[in-house]
Parts: sequence; structure tokens; C-alpha cells
Amino acid sequence: EVQLVESGGGLVQPGGSLRLSCAASGFRFSDHYMDWVRQAPGKGLEWVGRIRNHAISYTTEDAASVRGRFSISRDDSKNSLYLHMKSLKTEDTAVYYCTRGPNHYTSGSYYDWSFDIWGHGTMVTVSS
Amino acid sequence: QSVLTQPPSVSGTPGQRVTISCSGSSSNIGSKYVYWYQQLPGTAPKFLIYRSIQRPSGVPDRFAGSKSGTSASLTISGLRSEDEATYYCASWDDVLSAVVFGGGTKLTVL
Repeated sequence: EVQLVESGGGLVQPGGSLRLSCAASGFRFSDHYMDWVRQAPGKGLEWVGRIRNHAISYTTEDAASVRGRFSISRDDSKNSLYLHMKSLKTEDTAVYYCTRGPNHYTSGSYYDWSFDIWGHGTMVTVSS
Repeated sequence: QSVLTQPPSVSGTPGQRVTISCSGSSSNIGSKYVYWYQQLPGTAPKFLIYRSIQRPSGVPDRFAGSKSGTSASLTISGLRSEDEATYYCASWDDVLSAVVFGGGTKLTVL
């Protein structure tokens, strides 16, 4: 079964740091681009960023709202994705979803912004 | 204020056909693919439509995506009670260099 399981969420003070993890299973993790998408309480979806795979030198892209504060990394040997968050603000409070992007070896993958598998999400609360 | 504009809500009765619109601009929908996601209450979003009109395997053909110019639509035919959810459109935006989502449309099945 294809599955993504996030962990690492919790309560953190403004200005603090947190690292989210996402454990992938049931598919060839190293072939896929991976993304983080968040959803503030009662609000819509917001894309956070993407990391591509080894074939594209693990290049990343991210949203302006998190640039310079958040970074994405992956460990293909552990089938794991990470979101490193620092200088957290109250507006970063949200459920953070790990999502699977396209398979690099699929035609047109570089410009494919689909998220076909989603984890259950992990809640991050930034509050004093 | 979302970059992609969706109606906040739509409704229909079982068996009816409903359409959810998604309006953008030349820097997103006008030149890029559109994606649609379904979020049932209290759950993670589910992948519904990709490359504007394609359905992933397992998605019923009652769900159809379309695109014309800077707007896109999701049409749900043969409405069922289990379709009651919030639907989001998404696209890449060349100006923002980011994926942008619509604000979401809550579908109520009366």
C-alpha cells in the first residue's frame, strides 16, 4: 500500500524551530519529487515547497511566505522527507501535509505540479 | 485573497450535475495545467484531476475537468451524497514561481 506518514508536529513558541518528518512506503521513493502543503485551521490549501530527486540534484523550490525560513530535504536511504522550519511565526500554524509529486521518469514530470498521494498531516501550532 | 478564484459554495440534489469554476490569469491557468483536489470533512485532500482534464485511476468518470482560456471547471455528474466535500483547484503561477490554490468550494448535496 502506498503510504505517507508525517510526524514531528507540536506546539512551538514564535521564533522557534521544528523539524517535520514524512515516512514513505509502498513505492520507489527515490524516483519521485516530493512536496509539502499546509492548511491553516479553517482555511484553504497552501503549497510550501518541493524537492526533486537525485536525477535533478535534489533541487528545491518554495513559496515566498516561507523562503529563507523553511527548507526541505530528503534521505532516500530511509525513504524519508523532511521539512526544517525556523523563525516560526504564528501564521505558520497549520496542518502540514506530505505529498507525493510526479515520478521523475514520467514524461513531462519537471512541470507536473500534481500531488497524487497525501499523508494524514501533522499539526504545528506556533503560540506563546 | 487567493490567486485562483472559486465560488465559496455550490449545491445540488442527488443525480444532478454541478459545475465548480476556477478563474485565474495568463500566468497560471492560461498557460499551465490545472489540478483538482477533493477534501472530505476532517480528512486529507484527495487527487481528482491532473493536466486539466485527466482522471487518475480510481476516480469515477462522473468527475470531469475542463479548461478554456484563463478559466477551468470541474463538473460532477450524477451527484451523490458522498460527493459532499470541499473542492480545490490548483496551478503553477509563472509570476509567483509557486503552486497556487483556489480558496476552495464547499459542495453541499441537498
